Amino acid sequence: EVQLVESGGGLVQPGGSLRLSCEASGFTLSDHYMDWVRQAPGKGLEWVGRIRNKANSYTTEYAASVKGRFTISRDDSKNSLYLQMNSLNNEDTAVYFCARGTCRRSTNCYYYIDYWGQGTLVTVSS
Amino acid sequence: DIQMTQSPSSLSASVGDRVTITCRASQDISNYLVWFQHKPGKAPKSLIYDAFSLQTGVPSKFSGSRSGTDFTLTISSLQPEDFATYYCQQYKSYPLTFGGGTKVEIK
Repeated sequence: EVQLVESGGGLVQPGGSLRLSCEASGFTLSDHYMDWVRQAPGKGLEWVGRIRNKANSYTTEYAASVKGRFTISRDDSKNSLYLQMNSLNNEDTAVYFCARGTCRRSTNCYYYIDYWGQGTLVTVSS
Repeated sequence: DIQMTQSPSSLSASVGDRVTITCRASQDISNYLVWFQHKPGKAPKSLIYDAFSLQTGVPSKFSGSRSGTDFTLTISSLQPEDFATYYCQQYKSYPLTFGGGTKVEIK
């Protein structure tokens, strides 16, 4: 069974930093892309960023709203995904979800999200 | 960026109703669209990928279709467990973008 469990959320002051973790189980992490998605209170889903798999050199993509402040990394040997968040502001308050990216084709792959964690709440407030 | 315009933003329906939700992409995304179901406090659930393909384990009452840049999620017979918020997302290009969501409520 695929499981994704986020941790590391909490209360942080504006300008502060926080590191989220996501522990993956039930599948081979190294085969997949991994995403972070967030949901601010009362709002819809917002894609934060993605890290590709080893076969695609672990390259990353980010939403404009977090680029330069957030960094996604992974350690496949520990079955873990990370989100380092710096220079946090009130607009970053949200539940943060990790999600697995999958492609079912053998060529010309476009990765879509097929499994999600339950999320961890980050509150930025003084 | 590709904009995903989802409609309606909310709807009220009864058990047994057929429900249709639409997403319009601001440019061609081929079939690179996924639909999610999200209930409060739960992990979102993937329903349909590649616009039409049912995710493993998802009941066949859910279906997806495409006409150009318009995509539709249909629930053939709404059940109590289907009351939730539904989102579309395109994965043709970065940044990946979501529709604004459709909250399906009980009439």
